[in-house]
Amino acid sequence: QKEVEQNSGPLSVPEGAIASLNCTYSDRGSQSFFWYRQYSGKSPELIMFIYSNGDKEDGRFTAQLNKASQYVSLLIRDSQPSDSATYLCAVMGTGRRALTFGSGTRLQVQP
Amino acid sequence: EAEVAQSPRYKITEKSQAVAFWCDPISGHATLYWYRQILGQGPELLVQFQDESVVDDSQLPKDRFSAERLKGVDSTLKIQPAELGDSAMYLCASSLRVAGSTDTQYFGPGTRLTVL
Repeated sequence: QKEVEQNSGPLSVPEGAIASLNCTYSDRGSQSFFWYRQYSGKSPELIMFIYSNGDKEDGRFTAQLNKASQYVSLLIRDSQPSDSATYLCAVMGTGRRALTFGSGTRLQVQP
Repeated sequence: EAEVAQSPRYKITEKSQAVAFWCDPISGHATLYWYRQILGQGPELLVQFQDESVVDDSQLPKDRFSAERLKGVDSTLKIQPAELGDSAMYLCASSLRVAGSTDTQYFGPGTRLTVL
């Protein structure tokens, strides 16, 4: 079992719709959770992080965390074609500051 | 805006040759990470430095890879000899370790290595 799992996609949504990206993790002691966006051939770019159960909003992005279910998600409202990219979920575990990444979900926003 | 710098951006080499990558973290960031990202996968940690000390190199193939951060600022990652399976993006990241806050990592542009 992978430590951080994501559906590889592609997830295709029409422009203006809500995109929902999901991630599960295996280490119950994980403390912080990050979402990165990565365009093809580029390096990961931080979108946001969350460490408390519940929702955290930043502009069009909302991260959701449920530690009991070991589940974290990212919602993108009013999706734009420029949001088309791979979204990486990353987890910071117990006593370890390096990140464990999922393989990413490829999002395609159709104009 | 402060950024992590990496060079070169692209490197093509033949197998059995030596290659080296350089990283300059955001000023003041004590923690530096080297990750490797194979196409279609997420980044995987190779080595983590806190200042000039190695904190975690458990996933670094030490028979061919070496990393140093002599003065606790910039860092070099070396591969000798390179193998075909080393073709990947090599990413450097840094973070400002502040007690009581989330340790956010910022990535450089990466070095794309192709081994022929």
